[in-house]
Amino acid sequence: SQTIHQWPATLVQPVGSPLSLECTVEGTSNPNLYWYRQAAGRGLQLLFYSVGIGQISSEVPQNLSASRPQDRQFILSSKKLLLSDSGFYLCAWTQGIVSDDEQFFGPGTRLTVL
Amino acid sequence: KNQVEQSPQSLIILEGKNCTLQCNYTVSPFSNLRWYKQDTGRGPVSLTIMTFSENTKSNGRYTATLDADTKQSSLHITASQLSDSASYICVVSFYTGTASKLTFGTGTRLQVTL
Repeated sequence: SQTIHQWPATLVQPVGSPLSLECTVEGTSNPNLYWYRQAAGRGLQLLFYSVGIGQISSEVPQNLSASRPQDRQFILSSKKLLLSDSGFYLCAWTQGIVSDDEQFFGPGTRLTVL
Repeated sequence: KNQVEQSPQSLIILEGKNCTLQCNYTVSPFSNLRWYKQDTGRGPVSLTIMTFSENTKSNGRYTATLDADTKQSSLHITASQLSDSASYICVVSFYTGTASKLTFGTGTRLQVTL
């Protein structure tokens, strides 16, 4: 069976510090991978998605970046965090590209920027 | 602009009672609509999915309806249980040609009490 992991589970970082969140998927190959952010009282916002190694599509301009160095690894990074980067970050995957594929979400990372 | 609006924002009901959550969307072109359940601090988990041609779908005590003409959906929970306490998120999917992309509602926070 497939599983998706995210770490760390929680993170408290000062403004201006770097960020690296990691997501890995097991039990499947060539998944589509997604990074979302869920701010308090807001819906999930798609940040990045990837349909293959090295292929990253950005949905919103921001100081975050994403990379996919391996087939089942998706990394969210920032060089300098802002207060507005605080939120709940979720990684998700789908097997194919058809629109009725369910997106399976990881457990999330709670990021607090102080 | 693709949007998904949910109501009410929050709801408190007694255990054993029924409730109905609402979702209105403006996503186009519409592909499918899912209801997700998100426990606090966890990733969302899919409850139901409906395509354009479907107008009702059940999953145990959860029944979702879809009116594609009015672009409205509802999630009915029957005989609520304490474990139903969670956020329920309406998610509408559209297909870009390379990947499925989702528009999320802000969710309804349901609390079931004794």
